[in-house]
Amino acid sequence: DAKTTQPTSMDCAEGRAANLPCNHSTISGNEYVYWYRQIHSQGPQYIIHGLKNNETNEMASLIITEDRKSSTLILPHATLRDTAVYYCIVRVGKTSYDKVIFGPGTSLSVIP
Amino acid sequence: SQTIHQWPATLVQPVGSPLSLECTVEGTSNPNLYWYRQAAGRGLQLLFYSVGIGQISSEVPQNLSASRPQDRQFILSSKKLLLSDSGFYLCAWSRQGSSGNTIYFGEGSWLTVV
Repeated sequence: DAKTTQPTSMDCAEGRAANLPCNHSTISGNEYVYWYRQIHSQGPQYIIHGLKNNETNEMASLIITEDRKSSTLILPHATLRDTAVYYCIVRVGKTSYDKVIFGPGTSLSVIP
Repeated sequence: SQTIHQWPATLVQPVGSPLSLECTVEGTSNPNLYWYRQAAGRGLQLLFYSVGIGQISSEVPQNLSASRPQDRQFILSSKKLLLSDSGFYLCAWSRQGSSGNTIYFGEGSWLTVV
């Protein structure tokens, strides 16, 4: 499985863009990059995923470098409700089983 | 649409007592199913995953076991709870067959062993 590394914590001012980096230098060609977030005492919430192209949805944008060794999750206008732990993971692309490992993630604090 | 439910949401159990957490998925068939645990202030730890009825893979040796008696039902059990079993337990599912499928989590179950 490809491993990911993320900063332990980050702060962001309310209303500004939050840019959360993730390194996945050993990613394989058929592995996707996924982002989840977990608000305290809740189950993780899916945000976005991508393979090699940049992706955007109503929650965030995902920028993947051309060599696919790193990515950045962008929350365009952070609000206090975006305070959470953000997980970057890489999926094991086997059809016989599908095991997903979560690292410690980045604790994002949005500051008023 | 697909939904995932797990229960109970919270429970307090004495040391040495049994445990049963149940999870069901609706709106899909033959899903991959997972149990994760999150100790206080820690990350998510994969405990078990299953690709079919009766097929359980364990990630770490522990005091817990899992069973999948039906296609969309996943049960986490213990015969005798330890204090270290306290934590936030999460059930999750994903589709089989191809890479890049999203994992969806349940609401979680808070277990306190006293």
